[in-house]
Amino acid sequence: EAQVTQNPRYLITVTGKKLTVTCSQNMNHEYMSWYRQDPGLGLRQIYYSMNVEVTDKGDVPEGYKVSRKEKRNFPLILESPSPNQTSLYFCASSLNPRELDIQYFGAGTRLSVL
Amino acid sequence: DAKTTQPPSMDCAEGRAANLPCNHSTISGNEYVYWYRQIHSQGPQYIIHGLKNNETNEMASLIITEDRKSSTLILPHATLRDTAVYYCIVRVLSGGTSYGKLTFGQGTILTVHP
Repeated sequence: EAQVTQNPRYLITVTGKKLTVTCSQNMNHEYMSWYRQDPGLGLRQIYYSMNVEVTDKGDVPEGYKVSRKEKRNFPLILESPSPNQTSLYFCASSLNPRELDIQYFGAGTRLSVL
Repeated sequence: DAKTTQPPSMDCAEGRAANLPCNHSTISGNEYVYWYRQIHSQGPQYIIHGLKNNETNEMASLIITEDRKSSTLILPHATLRDTAVYYCIVRVLSGGTSYGKLTFGQGTILTVHP
């Protein structure tokens, strides 16, 4: 089954403790992206990747890092989480946004930073 | 990408057609209209997209006006499972700083009732 898998689904952590949210897709998609969703602000793009070893900032990249060493994986790294990063996070992938841009989203990761 | 305007909420009776409007009066000639939905904090789900012509798939129909300034998503026989937030998004299939980025507005909360 074609899917985007995020882990963990729920995470509670403390300020400053490094964490990684993993994202994996099994569709051989070139494009992958991270969004965060906050009440009243909608979904905002954090980072995206056009292909292996190619990443770029979205609208709200501060406090986050990403890497794309393999096509299927696009982890989101919070080196020193802060309470304002408490949010619902979604990973998405697409075959090629320049052509047919149907994006597939993961189920989400709900993060609480205390 | 062009801005969209959607009603904040709509109701629909189960089994009836749900018609969700979207205004995109500043759309340019190369921008597509996409519809996604999000069911209660799950990952957004692609529904349908189009450029000029009306489109239909197994989930819904998309009617785009001749001047392309507005569109309507039609769920022909709404069920309780169609209760969700529906997002209308317009974007180009190209590179640049908006590469792959979906700009989600506030969407329309559709409630399907028995």
